[in-house]
This record gives sequence, C-alpha cells and structure tokens, in this order.
Amino acid sequence: DTAVSQTPKYLVTQMGNDKSIKCEQNLGHDTMYWYKQDSKKFLKIMFSYNNKELIINETVPNRFSPKSPDKAHLNLHINSLELGDSAVYFCASSVRGQPNTEAFFGQGTRLTVV
Amino acid sequence: KQEVTQIPAALSVPEGENLVLNCSFTDSAIYNLQWFRQDPGKGLTSLLLIQSSQREQTSGRLNASLDKSSGRSTLYIAASQPGDSATYLCAVEAKGGGNKLTFGTGTQLKVEL
Repeated sequence: DTAVSQTPKYLVTQMGNDKSIKCEQNLGHDTMYWYKQDSKKFLKIMFSYNNKELIINETVPNRFSPKSPDKAHLNLHINSLELGDSAVYFCASSVRGQPNTEAFFGQGTRLTVV
Repeated sequence: KQEVTQIPAALSVPEGENLVLNCSFTDSAIYNLQWFRQDPGKGLTSLLLIQSSQREQTSGRLNASLDKSSGRSTLYIAASQPGDSATYLCAVEAKGGGNKLTFGTGTQLKVEL
C-alpha cells in the first residue's frame, strides 16, 4: 500500500496556465506538507496543514494555494504558472506534537512550465 | 534561522568500502535529525531518525550518530554496494518550527563495481 501518493507524477504545461497537484496519505497522520525541490536539488518547505488548518506558509507567492478537504488530503493549486515554478513538488505527512516520528514523503510531481 | 550543510557534495567509492557522510546544522535546538535517501526521479525514503536525546541509531549496514551540542551528524555506511548509489539528505526538525524539516544540500553517492 502506498503511504503518501501524489498525482500526477509528471506535469508539463504552458506559462499562464492553472494546474493542481493532488496528495493523499493513508497513514492516519494529522499533518501534511508541501515541499519544493529546485533545480539544484535543494528541498524547502512551502506549506504545512494540521487537521485542515494552515500551520506554515513559508513566504510562498499567493499564486500557490493549498487546500485540505480533510486531514488525509492536501492539494496544491497553482495559478498563472511561471517558468520559475518548474521544480519537483513533494507532499509529506507526519504526526504533529510527536516530533520524534518520521515524516513520510510521496514520490514527487515533476512540474515543467514551458 | 536553521541552516543545514552536507559534505561532501559528491562521493565516488569502490564497492565494499566503508564511508561516512557528514551533516552539520547551525541551531542545536532540534527535536530530531532524519537521514533520507533519494534515488533519481524518485521520492525520499527515510533511513534513520535520531531523537535529540539519542547519540546514534543503527539499521542494517547504516549507522547514524548525532552530536547535538556541536551541531553535527554522520551517516556511516558499511561495506558499500552499487545499490547504495543515491543522494543522501539529512534534515532537522527544529523546536518551534511547526514540525517542518529543514534539509541539507545532499551528498550524491556513487558506489562503483
């Protein structure tokens, strides 16, 4: 069983389009995250949600809007895509308030904006 | 602001060698440090998690150590195999950080036959 699953795995789109990436976890975790891995392979936190509530918003342009319909899902919607948005986006989950538990990551979504 | 650095950035070793990857962090107020493996085009696989109160953790041929006061961790891989080739990332969960992980820059390991 896949613990954290993201769709799609690959996404190629034109500048100016709006796109969404979906994430689901079946681990029973209450906290989910979006991380961005840039062309230099550096991973950085974007957002964190706990039980559908936004916890972390790391200075991300407001073209990026996360949405959490329930604690098992955290989707990422991106408006007016720009070339610089090209990256690999990773979803992750963990248990909040229990910092000594592992975070689990999805397989990533490679977004290419042309 | 927490910063995490990994050295070396890349490492190539012959099969069978023991090797050490290094990770350093600037703020010692952490809950834990986690080592991940990333294969090309794939997601992150958690290898080991060391709690701030622990000094080391072992899993198979992997041993991770933590010296919180000096802001350092090492990942020791014994008897390396070609299948160990991947990028290794360390990440710290800082206190007061809302459970987010701050990642290092990664070490790209290649184990050659």
